[in-house]
Amino acid sequence: DAGVIQSPRHEVTEMGQEVTLRCKPISGHNSLFWYRQTMMRGLELLIYFNNNVPIDDSGMPEDRFSAKMPNASFSTLKIQPSEPRDSAVYFCASLSQAGTVDSGANVLTFGAGSRLTVL
Amino acid sequence: QKEVEQNSGPLSVPEGAIASLNCTYSDRGSQSFFWYRQYSGKSPELIMSIYSNGDKEDGRFTAQLNKASQYVSLLIRDSQPSDSATYLCAVNAWGQNFVFGPGTRLSVLP
Repeated sequence: DAGVIQSPRHEVTEMGQEVTLRCKPISGHNSLFWYRQTMMRGLELLIYFNNNVPIDDSGMPEDRFSAKMPNASFSTLKIQPSEPRDSAVYFCASLSQAGTVDSGANVLTFGAGSRLTVL
Repeated sequence: QKEVEQNSGPLSVPEGAIASLNCTYSDRGSQSFFWYRQYSGKSPELIMSIYSNGDKEDGRFTAQLNKASQYVSLLIRDSQPSDSATYLCAVNAWGQNFVFGPGTRLSVLP
C-alpha cells in the first residue's frame, strides 16, 4: 500500500487566499484524522471522520476552516480566507477501527504532511 | 479536557546509554497507548503500542504501562545517534480521538 497520501506537500500563499489540502487514506481504513502541528502548540486534532461521517470537529479553529470526506478514499481540508497564523504543517492520518482494541489494527498512520505558509 | 503530558526536554544521553521517556495522561477511559517517533521535518511514525499493564519489549525499545498511575514510559537501550528525534506519546479510547502529548526531544550524543 502507498500509505496515506497528502497533497500538496508545500503551499505558499498570501493572506486572504483559499487553501485546499487533500488526503487519500490507506485503502480499507475507515477513520481519518486531520491534525495541525506547530512549534508552539504541538500536534492538535482538527477533525476526525468515522466511515466518512465527521465525529469530532471541536478542534476546527473557526468558521474559516472546513473539512469534507465525500467518500472513503478522499478528504479535503479547506481554509478560506487564510491568515498568517494558519501557517503550520497539516497532517492527515488514517486507521482501521476493526477487531478488538489490541488487535493491532487500531494504529494511526500519518501522511507526509502539507506544510502551509501564509504570507 | 483529555490531556497527555510529557517532559519537553531536550533529553541528552550519551551513545550506548539508556534513554527513559515518560508520559502521563488524564483520561482513565484510555485503552490504547502509543509511542511515535518524529524526525525533524518528517511525519510521526509508530514505534511501540501497548494495551495492558506491564512491559512490552521490541528490540531495543521497551514500553511500560501502569493504568492505575496513568503512566506510560519508553525505554531505549543502547541509544544510538539515529535515535535522536522527538518522541510523542499518544493515548486513545476505542472509537475516539488520539490525544498526543507535546513530545520529548531526545538527543543522543556520539
